[in-house]
Amino acid sequence: GQNIDQPTEMTATEGAIVQINCTYQTSGFNGLFWYQQHAGEAPTFLSYNVLDGLEEKGRFSSFLSRSKGYSYLLLKELQMKDSASYLCAVMDSNYQLIWGAGTKLIIKP
Amino acid sequence: NAGVTQTPKFRVLKTGQSMTLLCAQDMNHEYMYWYRQDPGMGLRLIHYSVGEGTTAKGEVPDGYNVSRLKKQNFLLGLESAAPSQTSVYFCASGQGEQETQYFGPGTRLLVL
Repeated sequence: GQNIDQPTEMTATEGAIVQINCTYQTSGFNGLFWYQQHAGEAPTFLSYNVLDGLEEKGRFSSFLSRSKGYSYLLLKELQMKDSASYLCAVMDSNYQLIWGAGTKLIIKP
Repeated sequence: NAGVTQTPKFRVLKTGQSMTLLCAQDMNHEYMYWYRQDPGMGLRLIHYSVGEGTTAKGEVPDGYNVSRLKKQNFLLGLESAAPSQTSVYFCASGQGEQETQYFGPGTRLLVL
């Protein structure tokens, strides 16, 4: 079967750096997405990786290793507004997104 | 641009009742999707559409029907609601099959 694993919850301190990991086993691979979802709101797009390596976008970076079935989202200079759930999703061979359950990130002052 | 909108925002149904959820997008996207989100689980695809007049089944289609009569609208119907259909329903749209999906604000449905 297809599976996306990410930690259920993480806690970090304002101003620090946090890395959220995602491992996947899917039938085919057509890219990996990270979304942010604040409580009670819609998921919003953060990043997309289809090739190995690091993609940097401001305070957020996303890394992909296709051979290891592994990705991480790196958040720098954490702010209170970064408190949210972070969803990892892999696009399979049918171009359908397979979603992880999400990582709830709690930022403490 | 409003992006992706959904109506209603919240609804309570009794078991056996029917309802239709409406999704509209103003980005001229070809692809549209209906997902459900339940606690402790990832988003699950119910149905999707790759263009006006087309629909296809996703991972969890049972108990739901969809229609895409106009490019900008995607309707999700529940013929006979069951408590297991209590969930948050998200609509999304995207330009192509490998493109980013943009989500609506969600519909919270409670079936008693």
